[in-house]
Amino acid sequence: GQQLNQSPQSMFIQEGEDVSMNCTSSSIFNTWLWYKQDPGEGPVLLIALYKAGELTSNGRLTAQFGITRKDSFLNISASIPSDVGIYFCAGQNSGNTPLVFGKGTRLSVIA
Amino acid sequence: DAGITQSPRHKVTETGTPVTLRCHQTENHRYMYWYRQDPGHGLRLIHYSYGVKDTDKGEVSDGYSVSRSKTEDFLLTLESATSSQTSVYFCAIRAGGNSYEQYFGPGTRLTVT
Repeated sequence: GQQLNQSPQSMFIQEGEDVSMNCTSSSIFNTWLWYKQDPGEGPVLLIALYKAGELTSNGRLTAQFGITRKDSFLNISASIPSDVGIYFCAGQNSGNTPLVFGKGTRLSVIA
Repeated sequence: DAGITQSPRHKVTETGTPVTLRCHQTENHRYMYWYRQDPGHGLRLIHYSYGVKDTDKGEVSDGYSVSRSKTEDFLLTLESATSSQTSVYFCAIRAGGNSYEQYFGPGTRLTVT
C-alpha cells in the first residue's frame, strides 16, 4: 500500500529553537494534514492543506503543501515545552479512500 | 471537540475472550474509522464505515470485525482476543462535505493477557 515517509523520527531541541519536519511520498496527494498527539490522548488536527504550494499558519505552526504534491513540511517557531508530543502527517489522494498516515515525529523540548 | 466518545477507555481481558469497543459520535458524520496505534507503527487502519451497514477493511483487519447499525455508533469486535491485539485503539470521524479532515476520539487502551 501507499506509504508516507516522515522525518526525522525523533528530535530533541532547546526551548526557543525552531523545528522543521517533513513528510514525503512516492505518490501524489490532494490533501495533506498535520496532527499532534499528546501522551495518553488522541491525535489533534493542527493544519489542513488542500492546494499544491499552499502555505498555511496556525499560531507558531506553519505547514506547506509541496509543489510536486508528493511532500509536505511543518515548521514550529520558537518552541515551548508544551510543543512536546508526536506529530503525524497524513495524506489523501483520491475519492473517498482513507487517509494514509506517517509514523510520526517525536518532539522533545529541553527547557 | 468533534463529539466523539469511546468506551471503555481501558480494558484488560484474557486471551480467547471476545471484546467489543464502542465509538459514539453526536454529529451525524457519515464516515467513521477504527485505528490501532503501536510503538514503531504509527496509526494503522483496521476498518472503516461509509454509512449505516456499509463497512470496508483497512490494512490490519484480520482478527477484527465491525458493525454499524446506527449512524452514531461504530463497534469494533475482537472475536477471540490475542496478545498481539494489545494496543491503543482510536476511533475517528471524517468531517462532512468535501473535507477529508479526520477527528479522533480519546482512545481505548486494551491489554490482552
